[in-house]
Formats: sequence, structure tokens, C-alpha cells
Amino acid sequence: DAGVTQSPTHLIKTRGQHVTLRCSPISGHKSVSWYQQVLGQGPQFIFQYYEKEERGRGNFPDRFSARQFPNYSSELNVNALLLGDSALYLCASSLGAGEAGANVLTFGAGSRLTVL
Amino acid sequence: GQNIDQPTEMTATEGAIVQINCTYQTSGFNGLFWYQQHAGEAPTFLSYNVLDGLEEKGRFSSFLSRSKGYSYLLLKELQMKDSASYLCAVRALSNDYKLSFGAGTTVTVRA
Repeated sequence: DAGVTQSPTHLIKTRGQHVTLRCSPISGHKSVSWYQQVLGQGPQFIFQYYEKEERGRGNFPDRFSARQFPNYSSELNVNALLLGDSALYLCASSLGAGEAGANVLTFGAGSRLTVL
Repeated sequence: GQNIDQPTEMTATEGAIVQINCTYQTSGFNGLFWYQQHAGEAPTFLSYNVLDGLEEKGRFSSFLSRSKGYSYLLLKELQMKDSASYLCAVRALSNDYKLSFGAGTTVTVRA
């Protein structure tokens, strides 16, 4: 079975540009979350979507937006890129959306964004 | 806010045991997770604790004390492939959809 897949794996942008990152969850998973991981730090929560609705947003500016499609895949968009947006962007899928129990997040390998 | 602390680096010898500590201060608690992340790869789930005590899974065990805001991950019979970053993460509320992660502990296993 395919795990969580993300594209592209690596990309380089310049300041002010826009980027779209894509994620396909594990089959049967209805929840997708996005995390930003800066080198040397743990992942930071950006968004969660469940059944195509936004369920949560982390402490990120409005330049960051996301959506989930009917097939449960998701896109993360970042506008007006800054140097500080350089990071590994991780997508994670789970069966549910935070109910009691483990509800384990399964992560994709990430999209490494470099902003020059 | 959430505050999760773990050591930055640890080094151990192949075949030895290493214990990675994690302390947390969060607004509410509904579970603590440990993930392993090899360089350039996705974090992979290792363990989940929601009640006090020890959870054992092969060479890896995880302990939780909710009253102390403390957890540890125990890695036994270390192998070279265990060299990785180990991330402690807390889910704060029962309907909270996000995990708050520590910065990770880089474990280096030497021959």
C-alpha cells in the first residue's frame, strides 16, 4: 500500500514568489495535516483538514493557505515567499480528526523548499 | 502555550541502552507520542502513551508520568540503524487536532 505521498520533493524559489505543495493521504484516511520543519527543530503545526473542512490553523501568517479536495488529497499554498519560509514541509494523514485514542499521524517524506 | 523539552544530542555504543527524556508543560493533556526521524526522511511513529506507566514494543519502550509532565523513550540493544532524531510530541486536548513537537534528540550510535 502506498503511504503518504508528497510532491515536489525539492524545489527552489526566490523571494516574493508563490509555491504550491501537494499531498496524497493513505487510502481511507480522511484527515490531512501540514507541518513546517525548520532545520534542527521539531515540526510546527500549520493546518489540519478533515472531510474537506479546515479543522485547525497554527500560528502562521495569512500568506499560508490550504485546501482539501473530494478525494482527500490536499494542497498547501504559500504566497510572497520569504527567506524564513525555507524548510521541510511535511504532510501527515490520519483516519480521524483528533478523537480520543491514538489517531496516529503518518507522515510523508516532505517537500524541501529553499527560498533564495 | 505548549513547552516541550528534550536533550539536543546523545551518543551511545552499539549494543548499549539509551534513555531519551522529555518534559512537557501543556494546557491539558491527551497523549504523548514518540517519532523517529532519519536524516532526510519522514518521521515514523514509535509509541503512544496516554496513561501512566511503561509501554514496551520490542527494543523500544516508552514511559509516562502525567503528574510529573515527564516521559522517556528507552532504546535497548542499540543498532547502527537507530542513529536518528527522536521527536517527543504532545496532544493537548481530547478534541485537539494537532501535535506539539519538541526540537528532537539526535542519537548517534558508535561501533
